[in-house]
Parts: sequence; structure tokens; C-alpha cells
Amino acid sequence: EVQLLESGGDLVQPGGSLRLSCAASGFNFNAYDMTWVRQAPGKGLEWVSTINTSGGGTYYADSVKGRFTISRDNSKNTFFLHINSLRAEDTAIYYCAKGGWADSWGQGTLVTVSS
Amino acid sequence: DVVMTQSPLSLPVTLGQPASISCRSSQSLVYLNWFQQRPGQSPRRLIYEVSNRDSGVPDRFSGSGSGTEFTLKISRVEAEDVGVYYCMQVTHWPPITFGQGTRLEIK
Repeated sequence: EVQLLESGGDLVQPGGSLRLSCAASGFNFNAYDMTWVRQAPGKGLEWVSTINTSGGGTYYADSVKGRFTISRDNSKNTFFLHINSLRAEDTAIYYCAKGGWADSWGQGTLVTVSS
Repeated sequence: DVVMTQSPLSLPVTLGQPASISCRSSQSLVYLNWFQQRPGQSPRRLIYEVSNRDSGVPDRFSGSGSGTEFTLKISRVEAEDVGVYYCMQVTHWPPITFGQGTRLEIK
């Protein structure tokens, strides 16, 4: 059974930083691109970033480019989202998903940006 | 960027009746997925590549379409189908783009 477990969400002040983690199990992690999607309170889904299998290819939404960095550790079946220069509009539940086509999702981790 | 436009945005349906959600894209697509998000839950993929049902998805859900017009149909709505439905394109990316979401409720 595919399992994705996010962690690292927190209440952070504007301008702050966070590292979100997604621990994967139940599938061959090394063989899949991995994706982050976020959902602001009461809003729809927004793609954030995708990383390819090796970690050598990374892709970002314009809204986070230059502030967010996606990475992965295939030896630990885990991938990450490093978030810098947080803004109020980054407040959202952040979901990790398997593959570029998001065939399985985690339960989400809440990032709140507020002073 | 590919813009995805769903309609309707709100869909009241009587139990046991059919429901249909439209998704239109600003460019022709090959890879179009549908997701369901029940209240308080994470999204769940229902349909991939326009018309393929994911494992465990009831056969009352079906996807169809081509080019720039796609449809998710529920043959007979059940109470557990309440939630928000999203289309997502992965043909022309980055960026991956979602529709605004369609909220299905029971009349």
C-alpha cells in the first residue's frame, strides 16, 4: 500500500523558512517523480513543484520560483520542500503526491505564515 | 500556461441521479486527470489519461473527451460522492494546472 507522510508544517513569521518532508513507502520510490501541491484555506489546488527520479530535474510554479527548493534523498525514500522568504499568501496545506500525475496523496501538512 | 475551466462550479444533485462536470482547456490535451476531494480529506485521483479509472474507483465514475473538452460523469450519485472535483492537465508542463473545482452537493 502506498503511504505518503508529510511533516514540517508550522506557524512561521513572514520572511521565515521551513523544510517540509514527505516520507514514502509501499512503492519503488526511486522510479517516480514526486510532486508538491498546496491548497490555501477554502481555495482550490495549486501545483507547487515536481522533482524527477534522480533529483537532477526540478520544476516550480512561478509563484514560488526562487524561494522554494525541492530535493530528494532516494536512500531514505524521502523528498523535501525547502521554503524561504515566506509570505502570507504561502499559507496553505501542503500535500505531497506520487508521480507527476499525482496518483496518491499524503494527508497534508499545514503551513501558516503570520506575525 | 494552460488554463483549465470547469463548469458548473456548484452542482446540486439528487441521490441516484446522474451528474456531469465539464473541463475545458486553453490548449489541446492528451493527459487529463480527475480528482475527488471529500470534505476534510486529501484529494484522491479518480481518472487518469482522460478515461482510465484508478484502482478501487467505482464504475459509476467515467471520464471522456478529447482535444480541449473533457467530462467527468457519475451515473448515479451516492452520498459518499459529496465533495469537490478537480481536473488537472499534465500534457503541457510546467506548470501543471488544475481547474477551479466543482462542488457537488446533495439536493
